[in-house]
Amino acid sequence: DQQVKQNSPSLSVQEGRISILNCDYTNSMFDYFLWYKKYPAEGPTFLISISSIKDKNEDGRFTVFLNKSAKHLSLHIVPSQPGDSAVYFCAASEGYSGGGADGLTFGKGTHLIIQP
Amino acid sequence: DAGVIQSPRHEVTEMGQEVTLRCKPISGHNSLFWYRQTMMRGLELLIYFNNNVPIDDSGMPEDRFSAKMPNASFSTLKIQPSEPRDSAVYFCASRPGQGMTEKLFFGSGTQLSVL
Repeated sequence: DQQVKQNSPSLSVQEGRISILNCDYTNSMFDYFLWYKKYPAEGPTFLISISSIKDKNEDGRFTVFLNKSAKHLSLHIVPSQPGDSAVYFCAASEGYSGGGADGLTFGKGTHLIIQP
Repeated sequence: DAGVIQSPRHEVTEMGQEVTLRCKPISGHNSLFWYRQTMMRGLELLIYFNNNVPIDDSGMPEDRFSAKMPNASFSTLKIQPSEPRDSAVYFCASRPGQGMTEKLFFGSGTQLSVL
């Protein structure tokens, strides 16, 4: 069973517009969340993270929102640029507070395509 | 820093053969992870090490899979015998410490094809 779900395998957005990638989780013990970006033939690279004590974290064009009651997080990219075309993975862990399992649980990824 | 180095980049083998994937983590990193990526299951954690000691191998699919970390700068993932369903991209990742706020650094992966 998938504990981290990314229900949109792909998303197409016009350059300059906002891209919104969604992620849902089922494990209530998760307390730290990350987004990774992956280009073809490369490994995933860290993009942005958020702990469960916050509901928003911003880094330049990237903002992650966390809704703990809905067990939902989203990644907003504004404005979207051609270089943002990649696969985005949502990941979660239950170790932020010092307990729980180590390692990250990943979703299946969303392929974001930025159209010119 | 060269990052996490994996070899080979591509491996094509026949069913029943032994396959060994290699990983050199970033110098100074204490934790090492092996992940497998498939279309059906996405990125799955296979096993991870802290200070060269295997901590959790519950993600290793079968006894055909084994992983070792003989020292802080080298790890292997072995499949013996290999099967077509093992075809996937295998990623190695390392992390500076054991704190979960520290992000993982991934290698470029090994694309394994078992015919």
